Parts: sequence; structure tokens; C-alpha cells
Amino acid sequence: ETGVTQTPRHLVMGMTNKKSLKCEQHLGHNAMYWYKQSAKKPLELMFVYNFKEQTENNSVPSRFSPECPNSSHLFLHLHTLQPEDSALYLCASSREGAPLAKNIQYFGAGTRLSVL
Amino acid sequence: EDQVTQSPEALRLQEGESSSLNCSYTVSGLRGLFWYRQDPGKGPEFLFTLYSAGEEKEKERLKATLTKKESFLHITAPKPEDSATYLCAVQATPLRAGNNRKLIWGLGTSLAVNP
Repeated sequence: ETGVTQTPRHLVMGMTNKKSLKCEQHLGHNAMYWYKQSAKKPLELMFVYNFKEQTENNSVPSRFSPECPNSSHLFLHLHTLQPEDSALYLCASSREGAPLAKNIQYFGAGTRLSVL
Repeated sequence: EDQVTQSPEALRLQEGESSSLNCSYTVSGLRGLFWYRQDPGKGPEFLFTLYSAGEEKEKERLKATLTKKESFLHITAPKPEDSATYLCAVQATPLRAGNNRKLIWGLGTSLAVNP
């Protein structure tokens, strides 16, 4: 148990569906991240939130919409996805502003998304 | 361009057969290098952080070392439970304010240890 919980663990959706991924961290961290992990590709950073404010959006298509209501919860709202969006979506958290030795990202188990 | 390359892509060892995984990096300035372990169906699990050339860290059968160009993850007398994908990531010295969180990831080394 890493202290970062993601739900659901698996999700199958059609291209016209709307769904949401949820992430919750119990580590007292103030920064949260969404990553996409696809086969044969390095981890792709999608969004970063620091103290609930979005600080990075790495050119992610608008069909992915993040929401961070507080420092412990992070959502990724999905709509009209494409089959190439099928991947493992990982949430991570870290303690921004801490000394380097404690500024480590801790990951959840991920949501395996399949878009049909 | 900042880049992280891991080798080999895959490695198969017999139990007890020691070996090393390589992570070479090209960044403007190194802030930190991170090693993670990832099991199938799970998220990456943090192992080590290294900050300066010459630094070494150990945890059970794993030992991570760092030079100015690369890091090695040495696995001594591995066991089947060490089978996983090992990921390396680098955090570069920020060029501008607010851009200091991004990790540059390698593709990983898939390690299989046979009993």
C-alpha cells in the first residue's frame, strides 16, 4: 500500500461514453500528478497540480479534463476518447517545497483503460 | 534535449546470478536521479534517489550508483521475487521557475529471475 489509491482499477468504455478516474492520497502531500503509461513509451506526464492549482498541462487533448478539489483528491474526467487513449493511467503525489531528499513522487496502482 | 536511456531492454537471470542495469542520461544539469520498480498491473514503487556523482545507496540485494553520465543498479544474488521492470527517471535543474517537478523517464529494463 503506497498511500495513493486509484479507482477504478479497470475501465472499459466506448468512444461516446463519459467516465471519471479518481485518485486519493493519504500522505499529506500537496502536489498531485496524472501520467499515461503506454507500451514501448516512457511515462508521459499529463497534468500537475500544486496546492489545488494546475501548474502543468503537457499539451493534453481536451477530451481529458482534470479536476483537483483539494490537495488529497484528483480526478480525470474522460469524454469522447479514442482507441489510442487505451493505456494505464497513473496518479502520483509528492511534497512540493520539501528538501530534495523528500521530494519524491509516490504512485497509485493505476487504472487500466480500454477504449472500444 | 534532455534524455534518459536504459539498457538492456530485457534481462533474464538465473537465481543467484548477479548483474547490473544501466541508465544513461543527458541533461543540462542533474537535480536528482530516481530508480523505481514496477510489477505487472501496479504503479511504480520508489527505490532510490541519487543526487551527485559518486553517491551510492543500498537496499537488500540492490545497490544504485551514480556518475556524471549514468547510473547503475546492481543486483546481487537475485531471487525470483526481484523480477519486475526497473525504471529510471531524471529531474533536471530547472531552467525557469515552476518547471522543476518534471521527471524524464526511461523505457525501463524488464528483469526476469528464474528459480
